[in-house]
Amino acid sequence: GENVEQHPSTLSVQEGDSAVIKCTYSDSASNYFPWYKQELGKGSQLIIDIRSNVGEKKDQRIAVTLNKTAKHFSLHITETQPEDSAVYFCAASGNYGQNFVFGPGTRLSVLP
Amino acid sequence: GAVVSQHPSRVICKSGTSVKIECRSLDFQATTMFWYRQFPKKSLMLMATSNEGSKATYEQGVEKDKFLINHASLTLSTLTVTSAHPEDSSFYICSAILEANQPQHFGDGTRLSIL
Repeated sequence: GENVEQHPSTLSVQEGDSAVIKCTYSDSASNYFPWYKQELGKGSQLIIDIRSNVGEKKDQRIAVTLNKTAKHFSLHITETQPEDSAVYFCAASGNYGQNFVFGPGTRLSVLP
Repeated sequence: GAVVSQHPSRVICKSGTSVKIECRSLDFQATTMFWYRQFPKKSLMLMATSNEGSKATYEQGVEKDKFLINHASLTLSTLTVTSAHPEDSSFYICSAILEANQPQHFGDGTRLSIL
């Protein structure tokens, strides 16, 4: 089955700096890769996603890149703000939501 | 955007009590709902996949008699933790999808504490 690894487990950056979180996956059949943000005590909110037919996707300060050959994808947050502090989870799945597997999460702290 | 409501947000009860958690898709009909469990500082672990009108599919190691899932309509799925014990204390999160190949939308989670 699919195995998703995520690094780093914790990340601290100064406000205004960029943050990068990387994930790798094992199942070459996976072709949908969402990123979720989980604030303390809350459920996870989808912040951006990418499908395997695209190499990069951007949404304002957030971008995701995908390298299908190497089986890794990354979340990039630029101009970080304190409200970006949260736990971020990557995930990988096939076309129909099967084998939907989360990474272990990265706790991001943006220091003012 | 798609909204998933989960209720209650917090439950504290005595050992032996059964607890029901509701997951509703508010502005769309969810073909499939998922139930996750999250331990402190850990990732979400899928417990079961629930399709409207059919039996839930449980992940390996999840007791189906312990965690009863009912998906009676396209907008409501319930998870009942039967005869809960302290080891069942956890954060439970549901999610829903409109149709295949669509992103999951998550509820805000339910923190269950069994005394």
